[in-house]
Amino acid sequence: GDSVTQMEGPVTLSEEAFLTINCTYTATGYPSLFWYVQYPGEGLQLLLKATKADDKGSNKGFEATYRKETTSFHLEKGSVQVSDSAVYFCAPSYTGTASKLTFGTGTRLQVTL
Amino acid sequence: DAGVIQSPRHEVTEMGQEVTLRCKPISGHDYLFWYRQTMMRGLELLIYFNNNVPIDDSGMPEDRFSAKMPNASFSTLKIQPSEPRDSAVYFCASSPRWSNEQFFGPGTRLTVL
Repeated sequence: GDSVTQMEGPVTLSEEAFLTINCTYTATGYPSLFWYVQYPGEGLQLLLKATKADDKGSNKGFEATYRKETTSFHLEKGSVQVSDSAVYFCAPSYTGTASKLTFGTGTRLQVTL
Repeated sequence: DAGVIQSPRHEVTEMGQEVTLRCKPISGHDYLFWYRQTMMRGLELLIYFNNNVPIDDSGMPEDRFSAKMPNASFSTLKIQPSEPRDSAVYFCASSPRWSNEQFFGPGTRLTVL
């Protein structure tokens, strides 16, 4: 069935370090791909998205590229800040499932000074 | 726009009591989703509606859980009777028909003693 795999956390980085959070999905059709972020005590909010192969989504310094050949959508940021500490969810949306998203397990990021 | 509104934000109840969680989606959105989030199981989709009609309730854990959407601007998730293992954060999200992006509410933190 449709599924997504995220790298396990927690990920602990020093401020200004480079961040990569890996995400791979099952190749059922051509899903749209999303990254959501959840700050402590809040609901999820969209961070970025990509709807077709080779698209790059970007927001707040974060980027992710839709890689059809490797079925991946890895999240990257060149220089993290303490305020980026949150849980990050990768979520493909498969054709034929309306607006239904398949959420990964989430990766907790902790950024320290 | 006020975003997705959930009430109450926090609920503490005793085992065996009925609990009703409420959600007001963003005006004009056709899809409404109910999720449950726990440390052990992560984010789980319980049920979702399209134009007030339940489409997929396969995630509802058991008959003690029920959800309704009497109109386009209101939905409830009811647990009767509640049990301590139902303790979790329950999120409501809505989505427009032209996009797979989901907009989340702030969640209701439920504690069943």
